[in-house]
Amino acid sequence: AQSVSQHNHHVILSEAASLELGCNYSYGGTVNLFWYVQYPGQHLQLLLKYFSGDPLVKGIKGFEAEFIKSKFSFNLRKPSVQWSDTAEYFCAVNAIDAGNMLTFGGGTRLMVKP
Amino acid sequence: GAVVSQHPSWVICKSGTSVKIECRSLDFQATTMFWYRQFPKQSLMLMATSNEGSKATYEQGVEKDKFLINHASLTLSTLTVTSAHPEDSSFYICSARPIDFAGELFFGEGSRLTVL
Repeated sequence: AQSVSQHNHHVILSEAASLELGCNYSYGGTVNLFWYVQYPGQHLQLLLKYFSGDPLVKGIKGFEAEFIKSKFSFNLRKPSVQWSDTAEYFCAVNAIDAGNMLTFGGGTRLMVKP
Repeated sequence: GAVVSQHPSWVICKSGTSVKIECRSLDFQATTMFWYRQFPKQSLMLMATSNEGSKATYEQGVEKDKFLINHASLTLSTLTVTSAHPEDSSFYICSARPIDFAGELFFGEGSRLTVL
């Protein structure tokens, strides 16, 4: 079964700092990749997704992620974080040829200090 | 984007009682809905996959007799936690896959269950 790893469980940054959250997955076949965000007290929302094409994906709120197939990675980045980015971020992988399920990483809790 | 609504968003019940949680896709039809459970400070764990008109498929370790799932229509799936115990206290989240599936799932707001 596929697995998804997010190496940073907690990240604390000051406003305007740059952000990179790691995501690695184990499945070797075709995948769709997602980053979701869960703001305090709110439901999951999609930040961005990768299906095919340009491995650098732009999402909402200035987020982007890069799919590096050789490294099985899909890291999330933002050049300059804001206090409002404080949330929990989940990487998810949909293994197309393996049941088509969505598997989530453990999540990274980001706190941005004003 | 498409909207998925869960009800209730918060429920407290006594041990031994049953609780039903509804998941509705408000502006699209969903042939498949997924039920996840999220423990505090942990990620989402898939409990079961619910297909309209057929039996749900449960993940390993999830008791199908305890977590009853019904997907009666293309816009409604229900999760019933039967004979709830304190260890069932958790955050339950559903997601729905539109008929014209483009890879994205849409998530409900979640239902927080507290069993006393």
